[in-house]
Amino acid sequence: GAGVSQSPSNKVTEKGKDVELRCDPISGHTALYWYRQSLGQGLEFLIYFQGNSAPDKSGLPSDRFSAERTGGSVSTLTIQRTQQEDSAVYLCASSFLGRGGVADTQYFGPGTRLTVL
Amino acid sequence: QQQVKQSPQSLIVQKGGISIINCAYENTAFDYFPWYQQFPGKGPALLIAIRPDVSEKKEGRFTISFNKSAKQFSLHIMDSQPGDSATYFCAASGVRGSTLGRLYFGRGTQLTVWP
Repeated sequence: GAGVSQSPSNKVTEKGKDVELRCDPISGHTALYWYRQSLGQGLEFLIYFQGNSAPDKSGLPSDRFSAERTGGSVSTLTIQRTQQEDSAVYLCASSFLGRGGVADTQYFGPGTRLTVL
Repeated sequence: QQQVKQSPQSLIVQKGGISIINCAYENTAFDYFPWYQQFPGKGPALLIAIRPDVSEKKEGRFTISFNKSAKQFSLHIMDSQPGDSATYFCAASGVRGSTLGRLYFGRGTQLTVWP
């Protein structure tokens, strides 16, 4: 079956512009995660959805970052007024959630490479 | 604060050799320890994972060794091949509080296997 897909694969924007990144999880996966990967910081957790709600938003670096998930499926990560330090690869992952919220294997998409000029 | 510490940062191994990557953690709420493999331009892919009720798990050439008392775990790649050249990440997640759901990643190890 299809894996996690993300779009666009590459995004170049100018400082101060808003961007939207999209994630389509594996069908039936109840949990969805956003991570950011940059050279200096490795893989950083941003936010996690269980269904359409986000029990853990602790990784969002500032209020310029927001995310939503609709219909328990597609998620959008929005970055407002982009800054150069936002340049990174944004990765989405999805998984089943077991009993008690214990997560199963997280399957990652190919990522969106964001470059802020 | 890095919750999962990984070493070495880079590793060069001859074809046929053993690659060993080590990770350590502090949070006793962690109970799931996966290893991910990432090739350039791709997302991380699960390689092998272990839970603390066992001390070792083997899948083909890949073995995780887990030491609960020392809070350490390691990945061993036997008979390393050039196709194993990639970045490897250890990770951890747990069952309560801030450890629930999300993965905490190590900083990664760049493995190069030369022929």
